[in-house]
Amino acid sequence: EVQLVESGGGLVQPGGSLRLSCAASGFTFTDYYMDWVRQAPGKGLEWVGRSRNKTRSYTTEYAASVKGRFIISRDDSKNSLYLQMNSLKTEDTAVYYCARGGPMLGYRGQGTLVTVSS
Amino acid sequence: DIVMTQTPISLSVTPGQPASISCKSSQGLLNSEGRTLLYWCLQKSGQPPQLLIYDVSKRFSAVPDRFSGSGSGTDFTLKISRVEAEDVGVYYCMQGLQYPITFGQGTRLEIK
Repeated sequence: EVQLVESGGGLVQPGGSLRLSCAASGFTFTDYYMDWVRQAPGKGLEWVGRSRNKTRSYTTEYAASVKGRFIISRDDSKNSLYLQMNSLKTEDTAVYYCARGGPMLGYRGQGTLVTVSS
Repeated sequence: DIVMTQTPISLSVTPGQPASISCKSSQGLLNSEGRTLLYWCLQKSGQPPQLLIYDVSKRFSAVPDRFSGSGSGTDFTLKISRVEAEDVGVYYCMQGLQYPITFGQGTRLEIK
């Protein structure tokens, strides 16, 4: 059974940093693209970024709103996906979901809440 | 960026009646492999989004067959043949052809 479990959310001040983790199980982690998607309170879904699979050298793509501030990485030994979030802004407040590709959003976690506030 | 526009923004449906949601993309979603990367997902209150349809018309695992997707080019439709109470939530279309991946603004379905 495919499982994705996010962790690492919390309250952080503007300008601060936070690292989210997504623990994956039930599939061969290296074979799949992985995405981060977020949802601000009362708003719609927003794609944050993607890590391609091992065949594609784990290359990454980012939304313009986070490019240069957020970094997606993976640790195969831990079957884990990460989202390093730096220079956080109040508008980054959202529930962050990790999701597996093949197809996109077919499997996703329950999300972790990030609140950026002073 | 590819803009995804959904209509209507909301709809109220009597149980057992059909429902239809339209999604228009600002450009075609056909990739070089011949796949059209248009997806539909449903987000129920307080839950993560769940994939319903991928590649325009393919139902994801365990999705009831009352859900169907169709369309081509830039015009796509999600249809629910007979709405049930559990179908309440916000429906999103999404494109996966080009970065950034983009979502429609959502269509809220409620039961009359």
